[in-house]
Parts: sequence; C-alpha cells; structure tokens
Amino acid sequence: DQQVKQNSPSLSVQEGRISILNCDYTNSMFDYFLWYKKYPAEGPTFLISISSIKDKNEDGRFTVFLNKSAKHLSLHIVPSQPGDSAVYFCAAKRLYNNNDMRFGAGTRLTVKP
Amino acid sequence: KAGVTQTPRYLIKTRGQQVTLSCSPISGHRSVSWYQQTPGQGLQFLFEYFSETQRNKGNFPGRFSGRQFSNSRSEMNVSTLELGDSALYLCASSLAQNTEAFFGQGTRLTVV
Repeated sequence: DQQVKQNSPSLSVQEGRISILNCDYTNSMFDYFLWYKKYPAEGPTFLISISSIKDKNEDGRFTVFLNKSAKHLSLHIVPSQPGDSAVYFCAAKRLYNNNDMRFGAGTRLTVKP
Repeated sequence: KAGVTQTPRYLIKTRGQQVTLSCSPISGHRSVSWYQQTPGQGLQFLFEYFSETQRNKGNFPGRFSGRQFSNSRSEMNVSTLELGDSALYLCASSLAQNTEAFFGQGTRLTVV
C-alpha cells in the first residue's frame, strides 16, 4: 500500500529559479513529515522536517509546506543551485511510533546551470 | 562526530545462503532502524531497535531478522537468500525514538 506518493518522478529547473517538489499521503495518522536528499551511492541525507501542528517550516533555502486537510506537502528550494541535483524523498511517520517511516518513490531534481 | 557506518559496503551471495549486515550508529544514538531500497519498491521499512529491543517491524518475512547490542550497534540477518533480496540495505540512527533519523551509506547486496 502506497501511503506516501510522489507523483512526479523527475523535475528539471533552471539555476536560480524555484524548485517545488510535491508529496501526498493517505494515512491521517501520520503526524511528522520529512524530506531527504539522496545522491547516487550514498544514503539519504536529512533535509528538513515538519510536525503536523505547523503548516510551514523554513531552513535557509528550503521551506516545507504542509496542508493537512489535503494531505499534501511540498518542498520549495529557492534559489535552486546545480548542487541541489539529486533524488528527493518525502517520508511520513507517526511521531511517537518513531522510525517506521513510509517513503515516497522519490523525485529526481535536475538543476541546470 | 562520525556518521552512521555500515559494513560491508558491497556483498555478493548465492541463493540459499545467509548474510549478516552490520551498522554502527552515530555515537550517543540509541535508535537504529533498517530499510531496504529496491528499484521496484523504493525505500521500505524493515525494523527498528531501541535499547536492544525491537520496537517496530515492517512487512517482511521472518527470513529477515535483526538485533541490537548494548553499545547500540545493530546487525540484520537474512537467511535463505532469494534473488529478490538483492537491494541496497540502509541503516538509520537517531538519538531517541522521536527525532530525525540519519542514514548510513548502505550495503549493496547482490544475490546470484
């Protein structure tokens, strides 16, 4: 059962522009959401997270927005840089049920110089 | 501070054999979880250990097992290997059960 979905397998943006990566979830019990970035031959790297009590969390160039009623979250990267090119995974979990994270299939972001 | 260390990085095994993978978490981290990544299924949760006890388990057959030692290091074992077990196995550690998880580089297992 695909509880977390990233419907765009790939995204290409120009350097300096905004990258918007989307994620949908179906399980209303999820209350904590995370974004990870993954380069080839490396493990996922934690980027940013958001609790369900918030609708926005910002960290430098990265902002995550959460729309609980739509069961949708998005990651905004502004401005995008070529070094951001990687696969981005959205993950969801129940905060106190801990590291049983459900991941989306990932979106490959390519930032063109 | 050293990151999550997984050994070995690469492994080739034959069908029917068993394999043990090792994970050393970040110093001070007590929670270790394991994930399997395959092209078809993506990242799937295997199990999580905290203070030497399995706290959560994903939907995998009993051939997949694990354990955690008193120093928080963890091992996972897969018995009677099948071709479909070929995957990247990722270990993640976190300080406690409700904090962000940090991943190791993974062990690439190939079953032939």
